[in-house]
Amino acid sequence: GAVVSQHPSRVICKSGTSVKIECRSLDFQATTMFWYRQFPKQSLMLMATSNEGSKATYEQGVEKDKFLINHASLTLSTLTVTSAHPEDSSFYICSAGPPSGTYNEQFFGPGTRLTVL
Amino acid sequence: DAKTTQPTSMDCAEGRAANLPCNHSTISGNEYVYWYRQIHSQGPQYIIHGLKNNETNEMASLIITEDRKSSTLILPHATLRDTAVYYCIVSGGNQFYFGTGTSLTVIP
Repeated sequence: GAVVSQHPSRVICKSGTSVKIECRSLDFQATTMFWYRQFPKQSLMLMATSNEGSKATYEQGVEKDKFLINHASLTLSTLTVTSAHPEDSSFYICSAGPPSGTYNEQFFGPGTRLTVL
Repeated sequence: DAKTTQPTSMDCAEGRAANLPCNHSTISGNEYVYWYRQIHSQGPQYIIHGLKNNETNEMASLIITEDRKSSTLILPHATLRDTAVYYCIVSGGNQFYFGTGTSLTVIP
């Protein structure tokens, strides 16, 4: 299957700082990518839809000024958590797809574990 | 919001078939059923998807009822590495809303 990578895999930061997470589709182009957040023992929650060349679409209740999304190319989307606080500590996962020839199949990155101290 | 209902947890003996049910009674005609699984602290892994016909691939089989209101994922010979949370997702586009999933434990 298609490969999606995320960087970094883990990040620890101090409260009040900003953290950038990268999501790359390695072997296909993705006009749309998605960002999810997952708290311990909970399911994935869709945060936003990242559209190449246009503004992201955020799910209800997700602060767009806090979670900045940029999708500058067909293989890269970034999520920046601004002024991070301990409650932003979570597992952030991106997905991309579909690769050409598949129907809406999403491929997920390995996730980024964010810890805010 | 998630449009699926799954049992919270299931156990399966190693080497036996694991049958994971999913209810999606409000599914629309253009919506597909997708199955993913998530092993602890990793991103979800695609398993299989279907519209109305039963599907099979190297990982699993997907059985969709004729009225499409429910489906069953079948892992034919479960191994310890199949222990994971399995998510059933219904979507007509490329936005996925995850439900709570089924935590499958394969027992030696």
